[in-house]
Amino acid sequence: GAGVSQSPSNKVTEKGKDVELRCDPISGHTALYWYRQSLGQGLEFLIYFQGNSAPDKSGLPSDRFSAERTGGSVSTLTIQRTQQEDSAVYLCASSLVVWGTGKGETQYFGPGTRLLVL
Amino acid sequence: GENVEQHPSTLSVQEGDSAVIKCTYSDSASNYFPWYKQELGKRPQLIIDIRSNVGEKKDQRIAVTLNKTAKHFSLHITETQPEDSAVYFCAASGGSYIPTFGRGTSLIVHP
Repeated sequence: GAGVSQSPSNKVTEKGKDVELRCDPISGHTALYWYRQSLGQGLEFLIYFQGNSAPDKSGLPSDRFSAERTGGSVSTLTIQRTQQEDSAVYLCASSLVVWGTGKGETQYFGPGTRLLVL
Repeated sequence: GENVEQHPSTLSVQEGDSAVIKCTYSDSASNYFPWYKQELGKRPQLIIDIRSNVGEKKDQRIAVTLNKTAKHFSLHITETQPEDSAVYFCAASGGSYIPTFGRGTSLIVHP
C-alpha cells in the first residue's frame, strides 16, 4: 500500500517568510510524528499526534513552529518568520499506535521536505 | 528521560567483512529497540527490531543482540556489500511516547 508522503520535497524560502510542510500518513495509522534532521545529524523530535488527543509539542524549538492534524489524518507543520537555522530536512513518520505502547509502534518515515532558508 | 549513545560515528570496512554498531541506553523501562537505515538523500527505513523479551534476532545478513543487564544492544552485519553503505540509527523506547534516537553511524563499505 501507499507509504507516508510529504510535500513539497524541496522548499527554498527567504528569511522571514512563512512555510507550510505537509504530511500524509499511512491510512489507519493513529500516531504521527514530526522530526527535524540537520545535515549530518540525528533525528530531533518536534511534535507528535495520537488520535484525537492533544498533541505533545514538547520538542518544538520556538513559538514560530506549530503543527496541526486535521481529521486524524493529514498534518501540516508551519514555520513562521523562517530563520536560516531552520534549514534542515523535516521528516514525518506514522505508526499504528503511539511509541512505547507495544506492537504496532514501528514508525514509517516519509521522504522528508528539504527546507533551505536564504 | 532516555539517553541513547551510539558508537562508532563512522565505520569503514572492506566488502565481505563484518560490521558491528553498538548502542547503550539509560532507561531500564525501554522495551523496544529498532534499527533504521538511511541511504543518502532517502528516508530512514526500519531494517530490524527487537523487544526486551528476546536476546537476539536475525534476518539474513543482519542481526541484533540485546543485553538488558548492561543496557546495550548491537547491530551486526555480516558479509557486507557496497549497498550496505548508509547511515544507521538505533532507537530506544524509554518510558515515554517519544523515541530517543542515537546520533547515527555512517557505514562505508569499500569494494
